[in-house]
Amino acid sequence: ETGVTQSPTHLIKTRGQQVTLRCSSQSGHNTVSWYQQALGQGPQFIFQYYREEENGRGNFPPRFSGLQFPNYSSELNVNALELDDSALYLCASSSEGGSTDTQYFGPGTRLTVL
Amino acid sequence: QKEVEQNSGPLSVPEGAIASLNCTYSDRGSQSFFWYRQYSGKSPELIMFIYSNGDKEDGRFTAQLNKASQYVSLLIRDSQPSDSATYLCAVTPGDSGAGSYQLTFGKGTKLSVIP
Repeated sequence: ETGVTQSPTHLIKTRGQQVTLRCSSQSGHNTVSWYQQALGQGPQFIFQYYREEENGRGNFPPRFSGLQFPNYSSELNVNALELDDSALYLCASSSEGGSTDTQYFGPGTRLTVL
Repeated sequence: QKEVEQNSGPLSVPEGAIASLNCTYSDRGSQSFFWYRQYSGKSPELIMFIYSNGDKEDGRFTAQLNKASQYVSLLIRDSQPSDSATYLCAVTPGDSGAGSYQLTFGKGTKLSVIP
């Protein structure tokens, strides 16, 4: 157990709907990163939040957005859901530092878009 | 585009043997290298990280890094059926800014340890 929690565990939505996924970082960690993992693929970086500011973004459209709260928990919002958004969404937390920061993953949220 | 390549497998080894998992990366400036284990339906679990050229050992696991060849590997000694999982190689880019760094993952290698 890493101490990173995510909710909900599973979610089923229909195309065009909006979804909010939540993540609580490990105690002492101030950085949260979000990843999307499609079936049979490695996780793909969506974006990272460091002290409530977006700190890097992967190749995802603007309908993927997020925020980080003062307690360092975070939300991922996806608007106008598409079938290809069906995936495991992973949150990872880490502490401030240089390139040697280690990211610890939560259990993930399985999103199914019908 | 910065890429991380892994043989998708499956890699099958008998119980007690050494499993060797390999990974190459395209970004020569990559600074940190991680191995995660992912059981089916679960999230990635950190096994090891390595930053410097050479070997790093932790119990039954040894990570090897060769930055000149842009190659990182993971050896699992005395493989057990419980080691059967997908192993993900991840690297941090060389041009990241402040704070933690995004991970670029390979697709993973599926390992099967046969009793």
